[in-house]
Amino acid sequence: AIQLTQSPSSLSASVGDRVTITCRASQGISSALAWYQQRPGKAPKVLIYDASSLESGVPSRFSGSGSGTDFTLTISSLQPEDFATYYCQQFNSYPLTFGGGTKVEIK
Amino acid sequence: EVQLLESGGGVVQPGGSLRLSCVASGFTFSSYAMSWVRQAPGKGLEWVSAIGTTIYYADSVKGRFTISRDNSKNTLYLQMNSLRAEDTAVYYCAKGGITVRRFDPWGQGTLVTVSS
Repeated sequence: AIQLTQSPSSLSASVGDRVTITCRASQGISSALAWYQQRPGKAPKVLIYDASSLESGVPSRFSGSGSGTDFTLTISSLQPEDFATYYCQQFNSYPLTFGGGTKVEIK
Repeated sequence: EVQLLESGGGVVQPGGSLRLSCVASGFTFSSYAMSWVRQAPGKGLEWVSAIGTTIYYADSVKGRFTISRDNSKNTLYLQMNSLRAEDTAVYYCAKGGITVRRFDPWGQGTLVTVSS
């Protein structure tokens, strides 16, 4: 199975900060990666698919990049509603796998 | 509006069985792969199973869980047998799979607790 390693596992940031989360795959997955946001007690919501495509309705401050084994989710200017946990997921092959998550907390 | 609504969660003893359902609306259900994903309390997301033209399972549930669908009822199922304490989690159904390369949307989740 393809393993996804997210870093950091948590971070503290202030409103307006630029935040970067990385996801590394144990083998090449082309651009078959999605990013999700999960707020406490809620279901995950897709932000980015195909590594860099912004899901409809998602604010443009979210962006994704990368291909192969190294991927990045960037929030250009952190907003209060962005404090949540973020997960990457690979769609290259079954079994589908998720990264361990990155919790973004208020500084 | 695309919606997914899970049901069937509850408390079950180790070794017991439970069947989860997920009713879909707002899209042509039969045209899409569907998945189950679970999240143990305070933990991350774990993909469980997917059904499209082929069925796939995570190793952790293979041989114990069975995914199925009834396209006439727009409903996805997960039959869970031989349940263990480590199966305790919120179970989400989600639309999508390898072809569309994302899960969107997700249901609200249903809690399964395996405890004596």
